[in-house]
Amino acid sequence: DVKVTQSSRYLVKRTGEKVFLECVQDMDHENMFWYRQDPGLGLRLIYFSYDVKMKEKGDIPEGYSVSREKKERFSLILESASTNQTSMYLCASSPSLVTGYTFGSGTRLTVV
Amino acid sequence: GQQLNQSPQSMFIQEGEDVSMNCTSSSIFNTWLWYKQDPGEGPVLLIALYKAGELTSNGRLTAQFGITRKDSFLNISASIPSDVGIYFCAGHSNTGNQFYFGTGTSLTVIP
Repeated sequence: DVKVTQSSRYLVKRTGEKVFLECVQDMDHENMFWYRQDPGLGLRLIYFSYDVKMKEKGDIPEGYSVSREKKERFSLILESASTNQTSMYLCASSPSLVTGYTFGSGTRLTVV
Repeated sequence: GQQLNQSPQSMFIQEGEDVSMNCTSSSIFNTWLWYKQDPGEGPVLLIALYKAGELTSNGRLTAQFGITRKDSFLNISASIPSDVGIYFCAGHSNTGNQFYFGTGTSLTVIP
């Protein structure tokens, strides 16, 4: 069963901490994405990557960075967590930029 | 980013009823997708549409790619309790690198 795996389902971090969210896909997909989901706002793209070591900013990249050292792994980094980054974070992958994405189960991050 | 408006925002229906929801955009899209998100899970792709006017079914679900290419519709017939969740539309244009997602329609089915 092909899948996108996010390492944590729930995380609680303190303000100012550096936070790493990890995502691994086993489908050999070229493209990987990080979204955040907030009530009433839908899914908003933070960053995406179309190849190893390549990254593109999405609509809300401020306060985040990403790393893609290997094709199967895409990490989202919160350099200094803030309470307004409390959210559900969804990772996704796809074989091309025009085909549907496969999503992970999400990481619900709470910053206190 | 692009704005996709979904309506209604939420629905409460009796089991067995049919459901209709729609998604509109200010831009023309070449691909429309419909996803369902179960509570506590990530979205799962239900239906993909690639041509204006296209009508595609997946079991009790039917989706249509609007003729104007600025809207899409999802219908669920004879709803059952496991239809509960949030339904998202997503659209992609030739000029962009990403799918843009709607704000979601939350569906509650009352047994």
